[in-house]
Amino acid sequence: EVQLVESGGGLVQPGGSLRLSCAASGFTFSSHGMHWVRQAPGKGLVWVSGILSDGRVTGYADSVKGRFTISRDNAKNTLFLQMNSLRAEDTAVYYCASQIAVGYWGQGTLVTVSS
Amino acid sequence: EVVLTQSPGTLSLSPGERATLSCRASQSFGGKNLAWYQQRPGQAPRLLIHSASSRATGIPDRFSGSGSGTDFTLTISRLEPEDFAVYYCQQYGNSPITFGGGTKVEIK
Repeated sequence: EVQLVESGGGLVQPGGSLRLSCAASGFTFSSHGMHWVRQAPGKGLVWVSGILSDGRVTGYADSVKGRFTISRDNAKNTLFLQMNSLRAEDTAVYYCASQIAVGYWGQGTLVTVSS
Repeated sequence: EVVLTQSPGTLSLSPGERATLSCRASQSFGGKNLAWYQQRPGQAPRLLIHSASSRATGIPDRFSGSGSGTDFTLTISRLEPEDFAVYYCQQYGNSPITFGGGTKVEIK
C-alpha cells in the first residue's frame, strides 16, 4: 500500500522556522519527482516546491523562493521542506505529493504562523 | 506564470445529471500537461485525470477529460452522490506549476 505521511507541522511565531518531513512507502521513492502543495484554510491549492528524483533540480513558487528549501533523502525514502522566515500568509495545510501523473498524496500537516 | 481560470465557480446539479467543468489557461503551456483533482471536505486531493485525458488508476469511467492548447474540460457523465465535491485543474507544463481556483459541484 502506498503511503505518504507528513509530519513537523505546528504553531510557530512569525519569523520562525519549521522543517516538514514526508515519509514514503509502498513505491520506489527514488524514481519519483516529488512536490509540496499547500492549502490555506478555506482556500484553493497552491504549488509550493518540487524536486526531481535525484534531487539535483528543484523549483519554487515566487512566494516562497529564498525562504523555503526542498530536499530529499532517497536512502530514507523521505522528502523535506525547510521553511524559514515564516509569515502569517504561510499558514496552511501542507501536502506532499508524488510526480503528477502518478498522483500519490499525503493527508497533510497543518502549519500555523501566529503570535 | 500560467493563470488557470475555472468556470463556473459553483455548479448546482442533481444526482444522475451531467456535469461539465471548464479550465481556461492564460497561455499555452506545451502539450497536454493538465491534471484534474477532486477534493472532498477534510480530505486530500485525489487525482482524476492527467495528461488532459488519461484517467488515473481506479477512477470510474464516468469521469473524462478533454481539450488542448488553452481550453480544457472535465465531464462527469452521471453524477453519483460521492461526486459532490470541489474540482481543481492543474498545469504542469510550465514552471511554476499552477492550479485553477476550483469549481464546487453541489447538490441542487
